[in-house]
Amino acid sequence: SQKIEQNSEALNIQEGKTATLTCNYTNYSPAYLQWYRQDPGRGPVFLLLIRENEKEKRKERLKVTFDTTLKQSLFHITASQPADSATYLCALAGGYQKVTFGIGTKLQVIP
Amino acid sequence: NAGVTQTPKFQVLKTGQSMTLQCAQDMNHEYMSWYRQDPGMGLRLIHYSVGAGITDQGEVPNGYNVSRSTTEDFPLRLLSAAPSQTSVYFCASSYNTGPSYGYTFGSGTRLTVV
Repeated sequence: SQKIEQNSEALNIQEGKTATLTCNYTNYSPAYLQWYRQDPGRGPVFLLLIRENEKEKRKERLKVTFDTTLKQSLFHITASQPADSATYLCALAGGYQKVTFGIGTKLQVIP
Repeated sequence: NAGVTQTPKFQVLKTGQSMTLQCAQDMNHEYMSWYRQDPGMGLRLIHYSVGAGITDQGEVPNGYNVSRSTTEDFPLRLLSAAPSQTSVYFCASSYNTGPSYGYTFGSGTRLTVV
């Protein structure tokens, strides 16, 4: 069955450093990969989408890579700030309406 | 522009009771869906709709019912609440039915069934 793995443990990082979050998947061939941010008590907020034929996507301080051979996506936040502290979800989208979410990685940026 | 609005924000039900979770969007999105989120598990799709009058089941549809009479509204009905339905429910919408657009989520309904 399809499986998405994100670091289940929290990631603590010092302010100003680059945070790197990992999303691995198995038994899946997604056409798109999405990243969301979720704050406590709130709904997820869409951040970035990358297509299977794209290696890298950037948006301001965010960078996403997508390696379909390794079946992995990396999500980078450069110059991290305490306001970046949240849970980050990856979601894989294959065919028609097949969007599967990971459980998320909690990021804590320490001042 | 309110985005996706969910009501109520919190609800406590007794086992066997029924209720409707409301979801409305003002972005003219064709695609709408309901997810539940439980600790240690990713968001799981309950039901979805690709347009008014069209609905389909997701991964965990049992115990839930939906209808879509307008583009704007997509209510989720719990037919006979069970403790296993204690969860946080999110409504999400998207511009079109393909996965090439991200979802806009509501703020969620936290449901407790006792």
